[in-house]
Amino acid sequence: KQEVTQIPAALSVPEGENLVLNCSFTDSAIYNLQWFRQDPGKGLTSLLLIQSSQREQTSGRLNASLDKSSGRSTLYIAASQPGDSATYLCAVGRGTASKLTFGTGTRLQVTL
Amino acid sequence: EAGVTQSPTHLIKTRGQQVTLRCSPISGHTSVYWYQQALGLGLQFLLWYDEGEERNRGNFPPRFSGRQFPNYSSELNVNALELEDSALYLCASLPLGPTGELFFGEGSRLTVL
Repeated sequence: KQEVTQIPAALSVPEGENLVLNCSFTDSAIYNLQWFRQDPGKGLTSLLLIQSSQREQTSGRLNASLDKSSGRSTLYIAASQPGDSATYLCAVGRGTASKLTFGTGTRLQVTL
Repeated sequence: EAGVTQSPTHLIKTRGQQVTLRCSPISGHTSVYWYQQALGLGLQFLLWYDEGEERNRGNFPPRFSGRQFPNYSSELNVNALELEDSALYLCASLPLGPTGELFFGEGSRLTVL
């Protein structure tokens, strides 16, 4: 059974810092990995999708890497802003249309 | 292009009642997934519908059920509501193609009193 863990559970950083969020998964037989952002009481916004054959994906200030063999992914946020404050979730999928297994999330607060 | 839409956004029910939640996927998406996010818990997979058929269900009792209509919209039904059913219910849709990228709606917040 796939298990996804995210460390740390919560993180507070001052504005402008670069930061790394970690995601680990127990079964390396994944098809893809997706990072999401969730604001309080809201739905999930897709940030980045990495296919199992890829090593990283970038979108603006966000960069996600994937090391399938070690069961790890990182989400790098450059020059953090207060608007980045949210919970970040990673999720892994086993196939093109399989359900995603989610981590428990990292709650990020960026302070002024 | 409209995203995944869910209704209602909020609702309050009492124990034993029944509830129906609705989801409209992004145009052209044929698969719909339902997830439950209870307070303090992670997202738990509930149901997956594709082309009108239930393809997979998570570890939930039979009182959680649903269906998908010919236009690919979906309903989630929960019978005999219990207090622990209070949660944010999220719907996601999947486009055709190999990416496997899910797109989520804003959710329906259910409170059971």
